[in-house]
Amino acid sequence: GAGVSQSPSNKVTEKGKDVELRCDPISGHTALYWYRQSLGQGLEFLIYFQGNSAPDKSGLPSDRFSAERTGGSVSTLTIQRTQQEDSAVYLCASSLGTGRGANVLTFGAGSRLTVL
Amino acid sequence: LAKTTQPISMDSYEGQEVNITCSHNNIATNDYITWYQQFPSQGPRFIIQGYKTKVTNEVASLFIPADRKSSTLSLPRVSLSDTAVYYCLAVEYGNKLVFGAGTILRVKS
Repeated sequence: GAGVSQSPSNKVTEKGKDVELRCDPISGHTALYWYRQSLGQGLEFLIYFQGNSAPDKSGLPSDRFSAERTGGSVSTLTIQRTQQEDSAVYLCASSLGTGRGANVLTFGAGSRLTVL
Repeated sequence: LAKTTQPISMDSYEGQEVNITCSHNNIATNDYITWYQQFPSQGPRFIIQGYKTKVTNEVASLFIPADRKSSTLSLPRVSLSDTAVYYCLAVEYGNKLVFGAGTILRVKS
């Protein structure tokens, strides 16, 4: 597609439930990132996929968080047993991954997660 | 990934030129300097990137001295709509992008 698509745009869940957030990157972009941003805070890096390389999971805050990227395209971020501190906007971004375009990220509109 | 340091916030008035300086003392040979802009309730947007000297596009100019230990993002004649958070990164192509706290720019009328 023309841009990075994320769904759902808003998700309200109860504490302890699992949630899945989806990201559809720009076609042909080999790099895909997940970040999260709590209200009034900066961007927190979560995970980075680049081509067929093993993902960089160094930013995942706990083992309740996991992400996969199928076929080098769509990515799903899963949060198990959600906690109230997981409430945030989850942003996905993609880029060409190599050369000058590697540092040019296009962000999606984000998925706002609210854990009650 | 070079550590970058930026002012926490800056204030300006409409019509002024704004210069935001970023310090990256331990920048590596293969690192490129990249700037992003983030408006409230939106994801960041790429503004400009460069390696050395000066780069200009329709939005901003980027000045990088010969030692590359700092860079300055210049926004000409800002308007209220330029109020945003501006992030500076110094990273090698293909390495992960980790954003710092950025600089909050407030443009006043």
